[in-house]
Amino acid sequence: DVKVTQSSRYLVKRTGEKVFLECVQDMDHENMFWYRQDPGLGLRLIYFSYDVKMKEKGDIPEGYSVSREKKERFSLILESASTNQTSMYLCASSSTGEGTEAFFGQGTRLTVV
Amino acid sequence: GENVEQHPSTLSVQEGDSAVIKCTYSDSASNYFPWYKQELGKRPQLIIDIRSNVGEKKDQRIAVTLNKTAKHFSLHITETQPEDSAVYFCAASYDLNTDKLIFGTGTRLQVFP
Repeated sequence: DVKVTQSSRYLVKRTGEKVFLECVQDMDHENMFWYRQDPGLGLRLIYFSYDVKMKEKGDIPEGYSVSREKKERFSLILESASTNQTSMYLCASSSTGEGTEAFFGQGTRLTVV
Repeated sequence: GENVEQHPSTLSVQEGDSAVIKCTYSDSASNYFPWYKQELGKRPQLIIDIRSNVGEKKDQRIAVTLNKTAKHFSLHITETQPEDSAVYFCAASYDLNTDKLIFGTGTRLQVFP
Protein backbone atom coordinates (compact mmCIF):
# COMPACT_ATOMS: atom_id res chain seq x y z
CA ASP A 1 0.00 0.00 0.00
CA VAL A 2 1.46 3.30 -1.11
CA LYS A 3 1.73 5.86 1.61
CA VAL A 4 2.16 9.57 1.08
CA THR A 5 2.21 11.36 4.40
CA GLN A 6 2.06 15.07 5.02
CA SER A 7 3.45 16.30 8.32
CA SER A 8 0.39 18.32 9.41
CA ARG A 9 -3.31 18.12 8.75
CA TYR A 10 -4.02 21.65 9.97
CA LEU A 11 -1.65 24.57 10.39
CA VAL A 12 -2.17 28.17 11.49
CA LYS A 13 0.64 30.65 10.89
CA ARG A 14 1.10 34.38 11.14
CA THR A 15 1.75 36.70 8.22
CA GLY A 16 5.48 36.96 7.52
CA GLU A 17 6.38 33.63 9.12
CA LYS A 18 8.50 31.08 7.29
CA VAL A 19 6.44 27.91 6.87
CA PHE A 20 7.60 24.39 6.09
CA LEU A 21 5.24 21.74 4.74
CA GLU A 22 6.75 18.28 4.69
CA CYS A 23 5.80 15.29 2.56
CA VAL A 24 7.18 11.77 2.78
CA GLN A 25 6.47 8.80 0.48
CA ASP A 26 7.45 5.20 1.10
CA MET A 27 7.28 3.73 -2.42
CA ASP A 28 10.63 4.86 -3.81
CA HIS A 29 8.87 7.13 -6.31
CA GLU A 30 11.00 9.39 -8.47
CA ASN A 31 8.34 12.08 -8.96
CA MET A 32 6.90 14.27 -6.27
CA PHE A 33 4.46 17.16 -6.60
CA TRP A 34 3.04 20.01 -4.55
CA TYR A 35 -0.43 21.23 -5.50
CA ARG A 36 -2.62 23.90 -4.06
CA GLN A 37 -6.39 23.30 -3.98
CA ASP A 38 -8.82 26.21 -3.90
CA PRO A 39 -12.59 26.12 -4.60
CA GLY A 40 -13.30 26.62 -8.29
CA LEU A 41 -9.62 26.58 -9.21
CA GLY A 42 -8.94 22.87 -8.99
CA LEU A 43 -5.49 21.49 -8.25
CA ARG A 44 -2.82 23.97 -9.30
CA LEU A 45 0.76 22.75 -9.56
CA ILE A 46 3.22 24.75 -7.46
CA TYR A 47 6.39 22.71 -7.95
CA PHE A 48 7.36 19.34 -9.33
CA SER A 49 10.47 17.25 -8.63
CA TYR A 50 11.52 14.32 -10.83
CA ASP A 51 14.65 13.35 -8.91
CA VAL A 52 16.66 14.24 -5.85
CA LYS A 53 17.73 17.90 -5.98
CA MET A 54 15.84 18.35 -9.27
CA LYS A 55 12.84 20.65 -9.41
CA GLU A 56 10.66 22.36 -11.94
CA LYS A 57 8.28 25.27 -11.49
CA GLY A 58 4.60 24.66 -11.90
CA ASP A 59 1.85 27.15 -12.68
CA ILE A 60 2.02 29.17 -9.44
CA PRO A 61 5.54 29.07 -7.95
CA GLU A 62 5.62 32.69 -6.76
CA GLY A 63 6.06 32.94 -3.01
CA TYR A 64 7.08 29.28 -2.70
CA SER A 65 10.28 27.27 -2.84
CA VAL A 66 10.95 23.54 -2.50
CA SER A 67 13.64 21.20 -1.29
CA ARG A 68 14.31 17.57 -2.23
CA GLU A 69 17.46 16.40 -0.50
CA LYS A 70 16.31 12.79 -0.16
CA LYS A 71 14.24 10.74 -2.57
CA GLU A 72 11.42 10.09 -0.12
CA ARG A 73 10.98 13.67 1.14
CA PHE A 74 9.73 16.78 -0.63
CA SER A 75 9.36 20.00 1.32
CA LEU A 76 7.36 23.09 0.38
CA ILE A 77 8.58 26.35 1.88
CA LEU A 78 6.66 29.58 2.17
CA GLU A 79 9.45 32.12 2.67
CA SER A 80 7.16 34.79 4.11
CA ALA A 81 3.59 33.61 4.54
CA SER A 82 0.81 35.87 3.33
CA THR A 83 -2.96 35.67 3.79
CA ASN A 84 -3.45 34.81 0.11
CA GLN A 85 -1.53 31.61 0.71
CA THR A 86 -4.32 30.32 2.96
CA SER A 87 -5.33 27.13 1.20
CA MET A 88 -5.32 23.33 1.12
CA TYR A 89 -1.94 21.95 0.08
CA LEU A 90 -1.68 18.48 -1.42
CA CYS A 91 1.48 16.49 -1.98
CA ALA A 92 1.61 13.61 -4.47
CA SER A 93 4.13 11.11 -5.76
CA SER A 94 4.42 8.82 -8.76
CA SER A 95 6.94 6.54 -10.38
CA THR A 96 8.65 7.35 -13.65
CA GLY A 97 7.09 5.93 -16.78
CA GLU A 98 4.62 6.67 -19.52
CA GLY A 99 1.56 7.40 -17.48
CA THR A 100 1.69 6.27 -13.90
CA GLU A 101 -0.75 6.83 -11.08
CA ALA A 102 -0.10 9.75 -8.74
CA PHE A 103 -0.79 9.01 -5.07
CA PHE A 104 -1.85 11.89 -2.86
CA GLY A 105 -1.23 12.75 0.75
CA GLN A 106 -4.10 13.63 3.06
CA GLY A 107 -3.59 17.37 2.59
CA THR A 108 -2.55 20.23 4.86
CA ARG A 109 -5.03 23.01 5.45
CA LEU A 110 -2.93 26.11 6.03
CA THR A 111 -4.44 29.27 7.45
CA VAL A 112 -2.34 32.43 7.47
CA VAL A 113 -3.63 35.10 9.84
CA GLY B 1 1.21 27.28 -21.96
CA GLU B 2 0.08 24.06 -20.40
CA ASN B 3 -3.61 24.12 -19.74
CA VAL B 4 -6.46 21.71 -19.00
CA GLU B 5 -10.00 23.02 -19.16
CA GLN B 6 -12.85 21.10 -17.52
CA HIS B 7 -16.63 21.47 -17.85
CA PRO B 8 -19.09 21.67 -16.25
CA SER B 9 -18.02 22.94 -12.84
CA THR B 10 -21.13 21.44 -11.22
CA LEU B 11 -23.42 18.66 -12.36
CA SER B 12 -26.58 17.38 -10.72
CA VAL B 13 -28.23 14.17 -11.90
CA GLN B 14 -30.93 11.82 -10.70
CA GLU B 15 -29.87 8.40 -9.49
CA GLY B 16 -29.72 6.02 -12.43
CA ASP B 17 -29.03 8.73 -15.00
CA SER B 18 -25.74 9.15 -16.83
CA ALA B 19 -23.16 11.87 -16.19
CA VAL B 20 -20.60 13.22 -18.63
CA ILE B 21 -17.64 15.46 -17.80
CA LYS B 22 -15.49 16.95 -20.54
CA CYS B 23 -11.90 18.19 -20.63
CA THR B 24 -9.69 19.78 -23.25
CA TYR B 25 -5.92 20.07 -23.21
CA SER B 26 -3.56 22.41 -24.99
CA ASP B 27 -0.38 20.41 -25.63
CA SER B 28 -0.65 17.92 -28.49
CA ALA B 29 2.35 16.06 -27.01
CA SER B 30 0.32 15.01 -23.93
CA ASN B 31 0.09 11.24 -23.80
CA TYR B 32 -1.57 10.28 -20.52
CA PHE B 33 -5.01 11.32 -19.23
CA PRO B 34 -6.11 10.19 -15.77
CA TRP B 35 -9.32 10.94 -13.89
CA TYR B 36 -9.39 11.37 -10.12
CA LYS B 37 -12.30 11.29 -7.69
CA GLN B 38 -12.19 13.27 -4.46
CA GLU B 39 -14.84 12.55 -1.86
CA LEU B 40 -15.57 15.15 0.78
CA GLY B 41 -12.65 15.51 3.19
CA LYS B 42 -10.58 12.85 1.45
CA ARG B 43 -7.60 12.79 -0.88
CA PRO B 44 -8.02 12.47 -4.68
CA GLN B 45 -7.83 8.90 -5.94
CA LEU B 46 -7.39 7.56 -9.45
CA ILE B 47 -10.52 5.98 -10.91
CA ILE B 48 -9.58 5.47 -14.55
CA ASP B 49 -6.93 6.58 -17.02
CA ILE B 50 -6.28 6.44 -20.75
CA ARG B 51 -3.17 6.66 -22.86
CA SER B 52 -2.85 8.44 -26.17
CA ASN B 53 -2.73 5.25 -28.24
CA VAL B 54 -6.24 4.25 -27.08
CA GLY B 55 -9.56 5.85 -28.01
CA GLU B 56 -11.79 4.44 -25.29
CA LYS B 57 -11.49 2.54 -22.02
CA LYS B 58 -14.20 1.07 -19.81
CA ASP B 59 -14.30 -0.13 -16.23
CA GLN B 60 -17.75 -1.27 -15.13
CA ARG B 61 -19.93 1.87 -14.94
CA ILE B 62 -17.22 4.34 -15.89
CA ALA B 63 -15.65 4.96 -19.26
CA VAL B 64 -13.25 7.47 -20.72
CA THR B 65 -13.00 8.53 -24.37
CA LEU B 66 -10.14 10.39 -26.02
CA ASN B 67 -10.16 12.42 -29.22
CA LYS B 68 -6.54 13.30 -29.97
CA THR B 69 -7.34 15.36 -33.04
CA ALA B 70 -9.68 17.63 -31.12
CA LYS B 71 -7.53 17.40 -27.97
CA HIS B 72 -10.39 16.49 -25.69
CA PHE B 73 -11.33 13.61 -23.44
CA SER B 74 -14.44 12.79 -21.46
CA LEU B 75 -15.54 10.79 -18.43
CA HIS B 76 -18.83 8.90 -18.67
CA ILE B 77 -20.57 7.47 -15.62
CA THR B 78 -23.63 5.34 -16.28
CA GLU B 79 -26.34 4.27 -13.82
CA THR B 80 -25.17 6.84 -11.31
CA GLN B 81 -25.52 6.13 -7.60
CA PRO B 82 -25.46 8.48 -4.59
CA GLU B 83 -21.96 7.26 -3.72
CA ASP B 84 -20.74 8.68 -7.05
CA SER B 85 -21.27 12.15 -5.54
CA ALA B 86 -17.82 13.74 -5.34
CA VAL B 87 -15.50 16.16 -7.11
CA TYR B 88 -13.94 14.73 -10.26
CA PHE B 89 -10.68 16.02 -11.72
CA CYS B 90 -9.27 15.34 -15.14
CA ALA B 91 -5.53 15.67 -15.76
CA ALA B 92 -3.03 15.53 -18.58
CA SER B 93 0.65 14.75 -18.52
CA TYR B 94 2.95 17.32 -20.07
CA ASP B 95 6.58 17.03 -21.09
CA LEU B 96 7.56 13.70 -22.55
CA ASN B 97 10.82 13.74 -20.58
CA THR B 98 9.12 13.97 -17.19
CA ASP B 99 5.77 13.00 -15.71
CA LYS B 100 4.45 16.44 -14.87
CA LEU B 101 0.70 16.24 -14.30
CA ILE B 102 -1.60 19.23 -14.85
CA PHE B 103 -5.16 19.09 -13.49
CA GLY B 104 -8.42 20.62 -14.57
CA THR B 105 -10.53 22.81 -12.29
CA GLY B 106 -12.81 19.99 -11.14
CA THR B 107 -16.49 19.05 -11.46
CA ARG B 108 -18.71 18.68 -8.43
CA LEU B 109 -21.13 15.85 -9.19
CA GLN B 110 -24.26 15.44 -7.08
CA VAL B 111 -26.42 12.37 -7.53
CA PHE B 112 -29.87 12.73 -6.00
CA PRO B 113 -31.72 9.61 -4.84
